[in-house]
Amino acid sequence: ETGVTQTPRHLVMGMTNKKSLKCEQHLGHNAMYWYKQSAKKPLELMFVYNFKEQTENNSVPSRFSPECPNSSHLFLHLHTLQPEDSALYLCASSLSARGQTGELFFGEGSRLTVL
Amino acid sequence: AQSVTQLGSHVSVSEGALVLLRCNYSSSVPPYLFWYVQYPNQGLQLLLKYTTGATLVKGINGFEAEFKKSETSFHLTKPSAHMSDAAEYFCAVIRRDNYGQNFVFGPGTRLSVLP
Repeated sequence: ETGVTQTPRHLVMGMTNKKSLKCEQHLGHNAMYWYKQSAKKPLELMFVYNFKEQTENNSVPSRFSPECPNSSHLFLHLHTLQPEDSALYLCASSLSARGQTGELFFGEGSRLTVL
Repeated sequence: AQSVTQLGSHVSVSEGALVLLRCNYSSSVPPYLFWYVQYPNQGLQLLLKYTTGATLVKGINGFEAEFKKSETSFHLTKPSAHMSDAAEYFCAVIRRDNYGQNFVFGPGTRLSVLP
């Protein structure tokens, strides 16, 4: 299995829908991240979880709701999104979010289109 | 605060020519520096990283980068471009603060390789 797996790879939803993005890592890492990648914008860090605890929320609107039930799984629950939320959502993991110099391992992303 | 700039949002080279992608950073502490590559419709993949030690770092696919403290640079090079190198390249630095450490990514440089 690949290190970090994201599902679905593509998602189209209306502004009133509720959907979820899922991320699973098989690397034994303890930190997981959600990033947003929009066209012509730098990667935006959304949320960080370290040992299942949220350690960072980068002023993300409440229509995005993360959930981390264990160190291997991370969800991003979506509701009443706006068209400007259309983007590639990338999940990543690392050994820890503190005191380490290791790299981030990324999933292939979930391409979200909000109509 | 740490930040990353990448000169040139788009670079074109001919196949077989030298690839040079520029990255400059600002950091108040010794930096940990990374280059990532993103192929179309995929997540980010680590090319190489500098943490400590030798300032010339070799990565995958024939890429290398040199950490120059005096110039606060970490430029990425490859002696001979291949068509398969066409992708988006991101330079990143680890930001360390009271909450832990997170990556700060540059805006990216799109590399085109012309036949």
